[in-house]
Amino acid sequence: AQSVSQHNHHVILSEAASLELGCNYSYGGTVNLFWYVQYPGQHLQLLLKYFSGDPLVKGIKGFEAEFIKSKFSFNLRKPSVQWSDTAEYFCAVNTTSGTYKYIFGTGTRLKVLA
Amino acid sequence: GAGVSQSPSNKVTEKGKDVELRCDPISGHTALYWYRQSLGQGLEFLIYFQGNSAPDKSGLPSDRFSAERTGGSVSTLTIQRTQQEDSAVYLCASSHPGQGKGYTFGSGTRLTVV
Repeated sequence: AQSVSQHNHHVILSEAASLELGCNYSYGGTVNLFWYVQYPGQHLQLLLKYFSGDPLVKGIKGFEAEFIKSKFSFNLRKPSVQWSDTAEYFCAVNTTSGTYKYIFGTGTRLKVLA
Repeated sequence: GAGVSQSPSNKVTEKGKDVELRCDPISGHTALYWYRQSLGQGLEFLIYFQGNSAPDKSGLPSDRFSAERTGGSVSTLTIQRTQQEDSAVYLCASSHPGQGKGYTFGSGTRLTVV
């Protein structure tokens, strides 16, 4: 069965530190990949997505993610975090083999200290 | 409306009671999804509606759970004889049909069964 793993459950960083959140999926075929963010008290929002083409995807608020097919990974990065990046981040996979539902990871809670 | 609307935002119910959760998707979005987010868990797929097609109910955890979508728009998720393990945030999302389309999530309904 398809699955998504986010190994970092809780991350605490100081402002201006660099961020990398891991995401690995298990599926041998073609996938679409997503990162969603949930700020405190708000609903889930799409941060960035990968369908095809350049494996380095840039999203909103300075976030980017790199799809490495050989590693089945789609790690999220930001060079310099801000206090306002405090949120929970979810990685999701949608296969292109006829399914439509997303498989989500368990999420990573990021706390940025001012 | 501009976004996906869910009601109520919070629901506290006694064990054994039935509850109904409502989702009003974005106008024009023919695909509608229900997910459940439990503490420390990822988003668990429950059910998917696409236009007039038969819904995919493969994620519903038991026969106490059911959902319907009237007129291709508003959806209601019903949980009968609620149990404490049903306590979670129930999220609705809608999207345009097709592979890889990002979801737009509602704010969710936080259900607490006491």
